Amino acid sequence: GQNIDQPTEMTATEGAIVQINCTYQTSGFNGLFWYQQHAGEAPTFLSYNVLDGLEEKGRFSSFLSRSKGYSYLLLKELQMKDSASYLCAPKDSNYQLIWGAGTKLIIKP
Amino acid sequence: GAVVSQHPSRVICKSGTSVKIECRSLDFQATTMFWYRQFPKQSLMLMATSNEGSKATYEQGVEKDKFLINHASLTLSTLTVTSAHPEDSSFYICSASRIGGSYEQYFGPGTRLTVT
Repeated sequence: GQNIDQPTEMTATEGAIVQINCTYQTSGFNGLFWYQQHAGEAPTFLSYNVLDGLEEKGRFSSFLSRSKGYSYLLLKELQMKDSASYLCAPKDSNYQLIWGAGTKLIIKP
Repeated sequence: GAVVSQHPSRVICKSGTSVKIECRSLDFQATTMFWYRQFPKQSLMLMATSNEGSKATYEQGVEKDKFLINHASLTLSTLTVTSAHPEDSSFYICSASRIGGSYEQYFGPGTRLTVT
């Protein structure tokens, strides 16, 4: 079956760094997306990895290891507005996104 | 670019009535549009995938006669919840993939449906 595993909830301090891990099992693999979703709102795109390695985009970076079925999202210089859920979504062999429940990130002052 | 709109953003309807939700890609042509439902504190649940000019593909457990999807053009898809019941109250979100893109899905802002 297809499965996404992320921590349910994480807490971090404003200004710090946090890493959100994601492991996945999918039938085939065609890349992996990270989305941010604030409560009551739709997801917004953060990053896309299709090859192994680190993709950096400002304060956010995402890493992928296809052989390990593993990705992480790294958030630097945390701000209060970063409090949200972060969704790891790999694409399977049918190019369909597989969604988990996401990680709720709580930022404290 | 890649903006997706949804209308309405919020709707309250009486049990037994039907509600139509529109999803539009404003600045790109979408090969495929997706409809999701999300209950509070739960993950996105894909309801159906639609391609312009063809019938939607529904996920297992989603009633196609209750959730009517029309994808009339490359920029517009509609979801009609027919004979709505209180258990249909949820957050409905559409997304669209652009032609020639990396299959990234651009999400609309969502529609909060409350059935009384």
